[in-house]
Amino acid sequence: GAGVSQSPSNKVTEKGKDVELRCDPISGHTALYWYRQSLGQGLEFLIYFQGNSAPDKSGLPSDRFSAERTGGSVSTLTIQRTQQEDSAVYLCASERQGGPGSYTFGSGTRLTVV
Amino acid sequence: AQSVAQPEDQVNVAEGNPLTVKCTYSVSGNPYLFWYVQYPNRGLQFLLKYITGDNLVKGSYGFEAEFNKSQTSFHLKKPSALVSDSALYFCALGDSGAGSYQLTFGKGTKLSVIP
Repeated sequence: GAGVSQSPSNKVTEKGKDVELRCDPISGHTALYWYRQSLGQGLEFLIYFQGNSAPDKSGLPSDRFSAERTGGSVSTLTIQRTQQEDSAVYLCASERQGGPGSYTFGSGTRLTVV
Repeated sequence: AQSVAQPEDQVNVAEGNPLTVKCTYSVSGNPYLFWYVQYPNRGLQFLLKYITGDNLVKGSYGFEAEFNKSQTSFHLKKPSALVSDSALYFCALGDSGAGSYQLTFGKGTKLSVIP
């Protein structure tokens, strides 16, 4: 597609439930990133996928967070047993191989844990 | 560890006046530096980047930024502000020596351009 697509745009979930957030990057972009934006904070790096290489998971805040990228395209971020501190906007970005840093961001998923 | 600081949470400027949004950084290797803008209820948009070469970088919407290695700064500037420039601006830093292109973002500066 023309841009990075994220779904859902908003998600309200009960504490303890699992959630899945989806990101559909720009076709042909080999790199995909997940960031988290909390109120009043900058963006926090979560995970990075580049082609068929092993993902860089160094930013995942706990083992409740995981992500996968199927077929080098769509990515799913899963948060298990959600907690209130997980409430944030989750942003996905993609870029062409050899960037660096000229990301195209999606509009994000606003997650609210109640 | 690398870090980015945006010392001002908010900047107010009158329409037509020059604007500056400040950013300083700390990194062990050679920096990659970026500015992104976020309009209300929208994702971040890339404005400009410094990788190497000319210290003055020109980007979208008439914005420019100057890389200053001695002051470890990368301030965003525009000669004449527009009301439509009102948004949240993020400075971001990458490390050329790192294995991936993940960026460290500042906390953002809210720019308000007053008509």
